[in-house]
Amino acid sequence: DAGVIQSPRHEVTEMGQEVTLRCKPISGHNSLFWYRQTMMRGLELLIYFNNNVPIDDSGMPEDRFSAKMPNASFSTLKIQPSEPRDSAVYFCASSSYTGFALHFGNGTRLTVT
Amino acid sequence: KQEVTQIPAALSVPEGENLVLNCSFTDSAIYNLQWFRQDPGKGLTSLLLIQSSQREQTSGRLNASLDKSSGRSTLYIAASQPGDSATYLCAVNNNNDMRFGAGTRLTVKP
Repeated sequence: DAGVIQSPRHEVTEMGQEVTLRCKPISGHNSLFWYRQTMMRGLELLIYFNNNVPIDDSGMPEDRFSAKMPNASFSTLKIQPSEPRDSAVYFCASSSYTGFALHFGNGTRLTVT
Repeated sequence: KQEVTQIPAALSVPEGENLVLNCSFTDSAIYNLQWFRQDPGKGLTSLLLIQSSQREQTSGRLNASLDKSSGRSTLYIAASQPGDSATYLCAVNNNNDMRFGAGTRLTVKP
């Protein structure tokens, strides 16, 4: 299996622009998670889906952030408009079921100037 | 809200030493606890997963223990090697709400 695939690996954009991060979970996994990692705050859970349905989005910092999972093999995290404080590494992770191991992608490093 | 603490924040040891990393959590009603390794600029690699009904898990030179009642887990690394240098994170699962500690940055000197 190819593992969790995220794109792009790096994204540099200007403040105010829309940013879309993409994730393909491991085939057969039914839970998908979006995390953000910064030096100051560590790993923060933003949102997670079970069977393509958003379950908990309480970690989404502001209305500028939105996430979708239109099918079992694809999810997006969108930031519109982006701000410099959104600069971080964004990770996508998936698991086969509640209580099973979490598998991470390599992350997208976002820089907003 | 679950809070996860890892001590120490950083650790430096000579090659060959055995070492213990600590993780504590505030809410003992967990599904499982998972230990990860993160190399600089990389994603997280799963090392060990302990279900709430288990006391320990072993993989090679790694052994993780779980004491749910006291809210503690330890990761024991035997005969450490320079390749073990990385940041180690523990994550606690409360019904798919996975909370991470800040990690322990381990350096193993040749």
